[in-house]
Amino acid sequence: DAGVTQSPTHLIKTRGQQVTLRCSPKSGHDTVSWYQQALGQGPQFIFQYYEEEERQRGNFPDRFSGHQFPNYSSELNVNALWLGDSALYLCASSLGKARQFFGPGTRLTVL
Amino acid sequence: GQQVMQIPQYQHVQEGEDFTTYCNSSTTLSNIQWYKQRPGGHPVFLIQLVKSGEVKKQKRLTFQFGEAKKNSSLHITATQTTDVGTYFCAQGDSWGKFQFGAGTQVVVTP
Repeated sequence: DAGVTQSPTHLIKTRGQQVTLRCSPKSGHDTVSWYQQALGQGPQFIFQYYEEEERQRGNFPDRFSGHQFPNYSSELNVNALWLGDSALYLCASSLGKARQFFGPGTRLTVL
Repeated sequence: GQQVMQIPQYQHVQEGEDFTTYCNSSTTLSNIQWYKQRPGGHPVFLIQLVKSGEVKKQKRLTFQFGEAKKNSSLHITATQTTDVGTYFCAQGDSWGKFQFGAGTQVVVTP
């Protein structure tokens, strides 16, 4: 039974570019949440997807968008990257509002 | 929105000693979760507290939810080198959205 998987593990982009990060939830989970974790800080909630809809959103600009597919996997898209977007991006899955399991994260570096 | 504050930000502990990290909120929390993140790793769920005054134990870890549900603590006894990492508390709303504190980074010296 695979846990939460994310791809890629590392990514380097330049300012102004766009990036897509991917997440496959733990088997049986239907809810995916995305978090941004800057160095030395706690994870910050970006948004949550359930039944292919964005259910909740944190305090992030519209440059951050997402999608959930029928198989519950999810993508996080960030447009017009800037230096401050450099962070560890974490995906967490759960069954409804139950305990969430985090993936290993994608380390994004913006130069 | 609601925020949880964690203290201390940094904890240096001698192996074998006890320590406590605290999570405080200015508003009543519906629940509180605790996570551990090892260096270079991702947050791993430890426990969830829901009831006022609730106390839960996991081996050397004791978690407590305040009577007013505005604070929580994690107490570790007889610290070991495997306890190294950052401990986060997170408060959740009715939709399963969680807000994390800034964490307590724990360093253990032998």
